[in-house]
Amino acid sequence: KAGVTQTPRYLIKTRGQQVTLSCSPISGHRSVSWYQQTPGQGLQFLFEYFSETQRNKGNFPGRFSGRQFSNSRSEMNVSTLELGDSALYLCASSFGLAGLQFFGPGTRLTVL
Amino acid sequence: AQSVSQHNHHVILSEAASLELGCNYSYGGTVNLFWYVQYPGQHLQLLLKYFSGDPLVKGIKGFEAEFIKSKFSFNLRKPSVQWSDTAEYFCAVIGGPGGGADGLTFGKGTHLIIQP
Repeated sequence: KAGVTQTPRYLIKTRGQQVTLSCSPISGHRSVSWYQQTPGQGLQFLFEYFSETQRNKGNFPGRFSGRQFSNSRSEMNVSTLELGDSALYLCASSFGLAGLQFFGPGTRLTVL
Repeated sequence: AQSVSQHNHHVILSEAASLELGCNYSYGGTVNLFWYVQYPGQHLQLLLKYFSGDPLVKGIKGFEAEFIKSKFSFNLRKPSVQWSDTAEYFCAVIGGPGGGADGLTFGKGTHLIIQP
């Protein structure tokens, strides 16, 4: 099976812009979770989607949002970017809700 | 909320040495436990997992971990490390007061360097 794929792999944006990241889960997986990885805070949970509905959410501001499509693909959006949003954004897929998660390579976002 | 502590942020070992990386979590009850590894330039990969049953679990590449519920611990071990084990190791937990609602809670990671 193909693994989790994320596009784009690298992004450079400026403060105030918005960005959309994409994630395609492993075939057959219905749950997609998003994480932010930074040197200071480590890996932090953003949210989880299952059957096109956000099921769980971490402690991030409302500028961070996402959605999931009927084919389980997911997008994450960050509006009004701040310098502190520079991070590696990881997507993980699992068969069920809060199940065993498999990670993609991540999208490296740099905010200037 | 659940929290995970990894005791060693940087570990340097020589090849063939034995390895033990500590991991403790804060909240008991029903939890699922994981160790993930991130090799240089690669994405997070699952090393091993514990859901239930035998508290000694074996993973890939000769790694194993022991779940000790009374100590809230899930330490990773390998009897003889290789240069190719150089990587970042993350302990993660799902479950706790919010059930699975908080997603995976990760430790800060341990950067392991194996010297040839």
